Amino acid sequence: DAGVTQSPTHLIKTRGQQVTLRCSPISGHKSVSWYQQVLGQGPQFIFQYYEKEERGRGNFPDRFSARQFPNYSSELNVNALLLGDSALYLCASSLLSEGNQPQHFGDGTRLSIL
Amino acid sequence: AQSVAQPEDQVNVAEGNPLTVKCTYSVSGNPYLFWYVQYPNRGLQFLLKYITGDNLVKGSYGFEAEFNKSQTSFHLKKPSALVSDSALYFCAVRGTGTYKYIFGTGTRLKVLA
Repeated sequence: DAGVTQSPTHLIKTRGQQVTLRCSPISGHKSVSWYQQVLGQGPQFIFQYYEKEERGRGNFPDRFSARQFPNYSSELNVNALLLGDSALYLCASSLLSEGNQPQHFGDGTRLSIL
Repeated sequence: AQSVAQPEDQVNVAEGNPLTVKCTYSVSGNPYLFWYVQYPNRGLQFLLKYITGDNLVKGSYGFEAEFNKSQTSFHLKKPSALVSDSALYFCAVRGTGTYKYIFGTGTRLKVLA
């Protein structure tokens, strides 16, 4: 079975631009979460979606937005990019949105802002 | 508020020796605890999770974790380290009824041949 897939794998943007990152969860998984991992740090929670509804949001500005589609895939959008947005963006899927279900991660999109 | 601490930035161990990577947590209610491993330029890979009532949890690749409720710890262990175990290890916690994982800052494990 295919794991979590993310696209693109790498992206270079300049300050002020907008970016869209894409994620396809493991088949049957209805929950998708997004994380930002800055070099040398642990992943920081951005959003969780379950059954196409936002279940939670981390401490990120409104420039960050996301959505989940009927097939449970998801997009993360970031507007007005700043140098500090340079990071590895990870998508994770799980069967449920709570409990002890482990999340399964994709390999991420590495975003570089010039 | 939930929090996770990994007190060691790096752990060095000789191949064949036992290894321990430490994790302490703070969460309201019963904790859901997890360990993940990250190899260079890859996402996080699930290793194991805490199961209520089991103080020693076994996971993938020979790893296990010891849960201690009084010390609020969930240390990752392996009886005999391999060079291929060298990677970045993350502890994560999720509180009961909450939706998000909180990750520690990570511990880099280096196994020396």
